[in-house]
Amino acid sequence: TVLTQSPATLSLSPGESATLSCRASQSVGTYLAWYQQRAGQAPRLLISDASNRATGVPARFSGSGSGTDFTLTISSLEPEDFAVYHCQQRGNGISFGQGTRLEIK
Amino acid sequence: EVQLVESGGGLLQPGGSLRLSCAASGFDFSTFSMNWVRQAPGKGLEWVSYISASSRYKFYTDSVKGRFTISRDNAKNSLYLQMNSLTDDDTAVYFCARDPPNCYDGSCLHGHDYWGQGTLVTVSS
Repeated sequence: TVLTQSPATLSLSPGESATLSCRASQSVGTYLAWYQQRAGQAPRLLISDASNRATGVPARFSGSGSGTDFTLTISSLEPEDFAVYHCQQRGNGISFGQGTRLEIK
Repeated sequence: EVQLVESGGGLLQPGGSLRLSCAASGFDFSTFSMNWVRQAPGKGLEWVSYISASSRYKFYTDSVKGRFTISRDNAKNSLYLQMNSLTDDDTAVYFCARDPPNCYDGSCLHGHDYWGQGTLVTVSS
């Protein structure tokens, strides 16, 4: 299953909201996770099962979607939110998207 | 505190072999399935291999089948990845990643809840 993330790069300012998309080439149910990766760091689980926030993840992060279309929304961006975001599916094997870079405008 | 610490990376020539290790602490390692995920320089994440808690189930991405072998020693709280016949395309940071507790033996549908910091493998002549 191929995951396509869009946009490749998103330029926003702190305080704005971000909407990141992940589209699967076939249905993966709700078995979709989102990760945040800051520069030089390991990925961090944000969202599992399409919409369940991982332990300790701020409420400004939310996930939605099912089947083939998924969205990660970050409301009111904080400086530490500027990073690369990866989606991963485990509904048909395991695969990752190519990532979306969220950069400061 | 859950900790995963990878080691064993390095620089080697094409065709070479390397064994990566991941030392786990802070949780009951023997009851969690584990994974290796890699990231080539400047690229996205690529899942490499999965091993169930019991070692009964092992899965690999197609590009490493027949060359890489995942294993674990629950008595030593350690995960391993034996990599043979390495090519330039295997150059990457290799992360070990834990599956969450709500997984079945041989099948997990959820995100990896803890990751190590990674170890760099560079394959170059």
